[in-house]
Amino acid sequence: DTAVSQTPKYLVTQMGNDKSIKCEQNLGHDTMYWYKQDSKKFLKIMFSYNNKELIINETVPNRFSPKSPDKAHLNLHINSLELGDSAVYFCASSPRQGSVEQYFGPGTRLTVT
Amino acid sequence: LAKTTQPISMDSYEGQEVNITCSHNNIATNDYITWYQQFPSQGPRFIIQGYKTKVTNEVASLFIPADRKSSTLSLPRVSLSDTAVYYCLVGALRGSGAGSYQLTFGKGTKLSVIP
Repeated sequence: DTAVSQTPKYLVTQMGNDKSIKCEQNLGHDTMYWYKQDSKKFLKIMFSYNNKELIINETVPNRFSPKSPDKAHLNLHINSLELGDSAVYFCASSPRQGSVEQYFGPGTRLTVT
Repeated sequence: LAKTTQPISMDSYEGQEVNITCSHNNIATNDYITWYQQFPSQGPRFIIQGYKTKVTNEVASLFIPADRKSSTLSLPRVSLSDTAVYYCLVGALRGSGAGSYQLTFGKGTKLSVIP
């Protein structure tokens, strides 16, 4: 009965590869997010979707492409992975756009070698 | 977005009350104050939110003075399992469209509870 789940939990890959991270929430929330937490533990928002529509797109390289097939899913595809992409990626959801109470997934630790 | 300043780390013994203060001198009228908790290798977890005065839930209390330029998260009788990083965030919905609202996390306060 996990609220926000992500797969995989760990991802190790080589530079130049393309990879995807999947996120699902079973809370019935309208809004979903992707965050990146770097090695210095700063957590920054990357994207926000509301009812499958892109709402927030921070300054993120266009190698990162989110996709929301439905309200409960928000996937993140990354092309041509670089060393600097190594981080923990968190998915989150909230009942509606602008809600301060967000529910975070367990994170996906991406290591690019 | 209002910038927040909080201590980098704090230590406390089990059973004590812990107060973590956050400064947000340029908080805007529409801004709310929110606190999150993050355990190692886990995503942040919402603790409490407030606008002014005092808010209390089953986990913590949040004290906000009249000028709202600071706030204090109070954790009653901490246990070892409260060891985590605590983030203070300030922000508000500013309208629709890209960048309309986002949680901006700082470095947080690393709380270590000692037996």
